[in-house]
Amino acid sequence: AQTVTQSQPEMSVQEAETVTLSCTYDTSENNYYLFWYKQPPSRQMILVIRQEAYKQQNATENRFSVNFQKAAKSFSLKISDSQLGDTAMYFCAFMRGGATNKLIFGTGTLLAVQP
Amino acid sequence: EAGVAQSPRYKIIEKRQSVAFWCNPISGHATLYWYQQILGQGPKLLIQFQNNGVVDDSQLPKDRFSAERLKGVDSTLKIQPAKLEDSAVYLCASMGGPDEQYFGPGTRLTVT
Repeated sequence: AQTVTQSQPEMSVQEAETVTLSCTYDTSENNYYLFWYKQPPSRQMILVIRQEAYKQQNATENRFSVNFQKAAKSFSLKISDSQLGDTAMYFCAFMRGGATNKLIFGTGTLLAVQP
Repeated sequence: EAGVAQSPRYKIIEKRQSVAFWCNPISGHATLYWYQQILGQGPKLLIQFQNNGVVDDSQLPKDRFSAERLKGVDSTLKIQPAKLEDSAVYLCASMGGPDEQYFGPGTRLTVT
């Protein structure tokens, strides 16, 4: 069975600085996807960034980038130039490729961006 | 493009009562998911539909939870009778392509 672990329950960062959120996962699959979702107090899950396991290049989306270490089964999220609107719960998630493609989530990291 | 719609946004019921949640996925999305998110935890899959057929309901407490997706579009999730431990946010998501799920705003259920 696949598992996702986020070892940082809470983190804090000053506005405009950089922060890295950690995630590790366990799987024996070769075909899978990894995601970071943001969940603000409104509860809406918003996709931040995705990574296909077969791609060696790390994904980037504007201020958000990942460090995907496939052999170590590590998938960290770096947020550059943090903004107050980045304050939210961040969930790391795993999805196996194929028909039964449910998301398996970690327990989340609460990020607070301080002014 | 309209997003995933859910209703109601909030519901408070007493234990042993019944409740139903509704989800309308993004138009054309064949796959629909219901997740349960207990406070302080990540969402966990309850049931996955492909069109109107069930793909995975292994984590659905079938003695009290039921779900259907008539005509492969809207879906309803029902709890009867509710227990205190069912207090959670219920998230609906849909997927059209191979790798991205779009989530609705969720329904916060409080069982007293």
